[in-house]
Amino acid sequence: DTAVSQTPKYLVTQMGNDKSIKCEQNLGHDTMYWYKQDSKKFLKIMFSYNNKELIINETVPNRFSPKSPDKAHLNLHINSLELGDSAVYFCASSFLSSGTVVEQYFGPGTRLTVT
Amino acid sequence: AQSVTQLDSHVSVSEGTPVLLRCNYSSSYSPSLFWYVQHPNKGLQLLLKYTSAATLVKGINGFEAEFKKSETSFHLTKPSAHMSDAAEYFCVVSGRTGRRALTFGSGTRLQVQP
Repeated sequence: DTAVSQTPKYLVTQMGNDKSIKCEQNLGHDTMYWYKQDSKKFLKIMFSYNNKELIINETVPNRFSPKSPDKAHLNLHINSLELGDSAVYFCASSFLSSGTVVEQYFGPGTRLTVT
Repeated sequence: AQSVTQLDSHVSVSEGTPVLLRCNYSSSYSPSLFWYVQHPNKGLQLLLKYTSAATLVKGINGFEAEFKKSETSFHLTKPSAHMSDAAEYFCVVSGRTGRRALTFGSGTRLQVQP
């Protein structure tokens, strides 16, 4: 009955490879997000989808491409991996309703290590 | 634009003593504020959220936070620290409707000494 799940939990790969991280939520939320946490624990938004439509696209290299096949899934594909991509990537979900305070629910994170 | 400043990168307390983690925010509109906790090698868990219904917000595990608009602060407190409270704590402000990205503070590592 996991609310927000990510696979894989750990990902070790070499520079230049292409990899994907998958995220699924069973909370019925209409909005999903990807955040990156660097080695200093700083978290920053990368992308957000609302009902399969991209609504937030921060300044990230175009090697990163999110894909949302439906509103319960948001995958992150990374091309030509670089050492600097090593980080923990968190998926989150929420409702995108107006006039209310809505919290985001986070997945367990995917630790990506590029060697 | 919005931002969050956590005034202490590291706080150390003894078990059973009070905890104070400080947070100041900047927002051009009425903010939505949260505290999240991250235990080592774990995901992020919501501790509490400010809804504007009450300035004193109670969260899980005995934590609470007080919203002070005049001071633009949202400090997190707990009367008595427990060893299991040792973790990284993030003060967070939410974007406006239609752009719900969270802006995180830099985090405060809470260490609890026996």
